[in-house]
Amino acid sequence: GAVVSQHPSWVICKSGTSVKIECRSLDFQATTMFWYRQFPKQSLMLMATSNEGSKATYEQGVEKDKFLINHASLTLSTLTVTSAHPEDSSFYICSAPTGTSYTGELFFGEGSRLTVL
Amino acid sequence: AQKVTQAQTEISVVEKEDVTLDCVYETRDTTYYLFWYKQPPSGELVFLIRRNSFDEQNEISGRYSWNFQKSTSSFNFTITASQVVDSAVYFCALSEYKGAQKLVFGQGTRLTINP
Repeated sequence: GAVVSQHPSWVICKSGTSVKIECRSLDFQATTMFWYRQFPKQSLMLMATSNEGSKATYEQGVEKDKFLINHASLTLSTLTVTSAHPEDSSFYICSAPTGTSYTGELFFGEGSRLTVL
Repeated sequence: AQKVTQAQTEISVVEKEDVTLDCVYETRDTTYYLFWYKQPPSGELVFLIRRNSFDEQNEISGRYSWNFQKSTSSFNFTITASQVVDSAVYFCALSEYKGAQKLVFGQGTRLTINP
């Protein structure tokens, strides 16, 4: 089974509503998780680093108030897209490392495709 | 700043041909990691390889091989005897050595293998 799981895989919402995407590490603890965004036929861009028990670190140009990240436990990080608009439609994918950066494996979730109508 | 360039946006070959996907990177770090991922139409990222900058040996895994040339900052990926199932978007990525979890991706190369 998947080592990192995202839910939902697909979500369609109306403009102005909020959507929550979950990223879970299934058989390991992850103090850090990463959220990426991928627009159609484009590359993956890092949005933010999710830190368990502390505030997320956002990349330049990413709106903190629009993309709320909560890392409440060692196995779960959530990304909430607030007041979603059609331009937020994208593929959101998370990653979580195991162990230290020197030896740990890096796993990606299956991704969540958001469509805002 | 780190940067990864995959100049080939799309490649189309006939099955059984060999194909090489180019990757050129930029970094000021002396130590770093390089990755290749495969993204099939379903969207998930399939890990192919991670190589640290200390190790310049080429690697072969079945039909896949990687050529790491530190002198030219390139990390090219070759598929030998391509198959239709190899059709996907392939991403090259770079990370800091100490922050190996945070990746900078190239633009991706869409590979189509025709029967």
